[in-house]
Parts: sequence; C-alpha cells; structure tokens
Amino acid sequence: SQQGEEDPQALSIQEGENATMNCSYKTSINNLQWYRQNSGRGLVHLILIRSNEREKHSGRLRVTLDTSKKSSSLLITASRAADTASYFCATDVGYNDKIIFGKGTRLHILP
Amino acid sequence: NAGVTQTPKFQVLKTGQSMTLQCAQDMNHNSMYWYRQDPGMGLRLIYYSASEGTTDKGEVPNGYNVSRLNKREFSLRLESAAPSQTSVYFCASSLRRFVRSFEGEAFFGQGTRLTVV
Repeated sequence: SQQGEEDPQALSIQEGENATMNCSYKTSINNLQWYRQNSGRGLVHLILIRSNEREKHSGRLRVTLDTSKKSSSLLITASRAADTASYFCATDVGYNDKIIFGKGTRLHILP
Repeated sequence: NAGVTQTPKFQVLKTGQSMTLQCAQDMNHNSMYWYRQDPGMGLRLIYYSASEGTTDKGEVPNGYNVSRLNKREFSLRLESAAPSQTSVYFCASSLRRFVRSFEGEAFFGQGTRLTVV
C-alpha cells in the first residue's frame, strides 16, 4: 500500500473560501512535500516542510506537520478558480532520496 | 533551460512489444525517478536513481527495467508490454538533499501517455 493518503479524495468549494487537505503517512520521513497537478500536465512543487518543522507558509499556502500523528495538512486561503487541480503529498523517506506520493485530492473551485 | 524532457509524449504498443521511454534533465540533478499514474492511484514509484551508476526499485518495479546512462539521462524499458502497463509515465529529478538548500523537491516532465493493446 502507498505511503501517503490524502483526505478528502475530492473537494468542491466556492471561490474565496479556504481549502484544507490532509495527508497521512506510515513511516518516518525526512521531509514532506506538496505538489499540484493541473489536468493532463506534470506535477509542480508547491512547498516542502522538514521533519523538524511544524508549520510553513508560502503566499496563500500554509502547511502543518505533526510527526507524532504522521500527518500533514495543506491550507489554501482565499481560493481562486486557478487553484482547481489535484494536490498530492509526497514523503521523502530513507537515506537515498526516495520520494513516495499519495493518491491525491481533487480540488474544484466553484465560481 | 528545458528542465526535464520526456520522449515520446504518446505511444501505442501491442502486447508483447518492447520500448524504451527516454528522460533527460539539464539541471545537474543527482536523483532521478520514474512514476506511473493511474486513475485513482495517484503516482506510484517504479524505479529511482540517487546518483549516476545506481538504481533502486520503487513500489511497482515488476515488468520494468531502468538504466541511468549518465547524470543527465534515465531511461525506462518495457521488455514485453502488457495491457496492465497502460498508464501515464512521469520522469522527475531532484537535487540531493541538503545540497544548495533545495532539500529534494522534484521537478517533473510532462509525461508519456502509453497505451498497450
């Protein structure tokens, strides 16, 4: 089974609202990353949080990490139509730069 | 600066045929990866390479082989394609952790859509 599991699988919100996605993982990590994928395209890196960090911000993105619960959340504030995409968490595990992805959350921003 | 380039973008194979997916990066990255993406499954790691001359199995390596030809190139080979290998394949690369504070975020190619009939 996969290392990361995002929740929810799909999310629809009104433009301007905040979107929260969660990620749970199974093994110890070096860092956790969030990526965005627009339909039919490659993935784009959004933000990385190290295992010794608890919260990180980048523009409208806020990521938290709770290593005791093996979970992370991604908050997108003031959502826009352009935020419609799939979002994936990825964990960097082991000593050899192995990056494992979850199944993703499909976010749809309603006008 | 092209980033990560994958070829081909689309391919249709017959069951039993072989082919090689090519990937090249021009960012002087140490690590390279091959993933497959199937509906509802997210991305699953097939093989990865932490440096030139080394390769390691990922989550779903069966039916695939890889070759890290040099620091720039990492190819994925299907020796005898099966319909279960119909998928979108992504190549990615990253700098080694702690190098120039990039901390291992991956850069992706645009994908190869492979259909095996």
